[in-house]
Amino acid sequence: NAGVTQTPKFRILKIGQSMTLQCAQDMNHNYMYWYRQDPGMGLKLIYYSVGAGITDKGEVPNGYNVSRSTTEDFPLRLELAAPSQTSVYFCASSRLNEQFFGPGTRLTVL
Amino acid sequence: QKEVEQDPGPLSVPEGAIVSLNCTYSNSAFQYFMWYRQYSRKGPELLMYTYSSGNKEDGRFTAQVDKSSKYISLFIRDSQPSDSATYLCAMSTPTGNQFYFGTGTSLTVIP
Repeated sequence: NAGVTQTPKFRILKIGQSMTLQCAQDMNHNYMYWYRQDPGMGLKLIYYSVGAGITDKGEVPNGYNVSRSTTEDFPLRLELAAPSQTSVYFCASSRLNEQFFGPGTRLTVL
Repeated sequence: QKEVEQDPGPLSVPEGAIVSLNCTYSNSAFQYFMWYRQYSRKGPELLMYTYSSGNKEDGRFTAQVDKSSKYISLFIRDSQPSDSATYLCAMSTPTGNQFYFGTGTSLTVIP
């Protein structure tokens, strides 16, 4: 059981570039989430999904997009990277009310 | 007012001390309460999970929930240097669609 996996681990983007952060889970969880974590600010919810084909906005969705075509995968898309998107991004999945996190992607936008 | 408030610390204690970490919250609909441990440059890992009020013990860790005061605590007995990490509280409503996190408390246990 790999749990929640995320790729890449690190990435540097130039302003205006696009990229997709990958997230996969092998626990057959219906719920999946994307958070960003900035120093001293805790975890902010970007988007979440309650099942394949269903997504919803969280607290800070601007500048991001998601899709959920399968139960296992929940990619996060940044279309026009901005310095304000420099952060650590965590994907998570949950069973009932227990949430499990991936190792994170550290993104820098210059 | 934030949904969940947590003192960011930092907290520094000697090895063997009892550590008390706390969060307060404003939403009385929260029924599920969690504590996560996050080591530097790692993802949060679920440490303790409790439902509604009461205590839950797991080894050196005890989680307490006081719904009447909207206050939750995590106690660490006989603290070890390996407990040095950031501890995040989190909570959710019965629908469980979203989780609300505290900002985390940074703990250092000095050998």
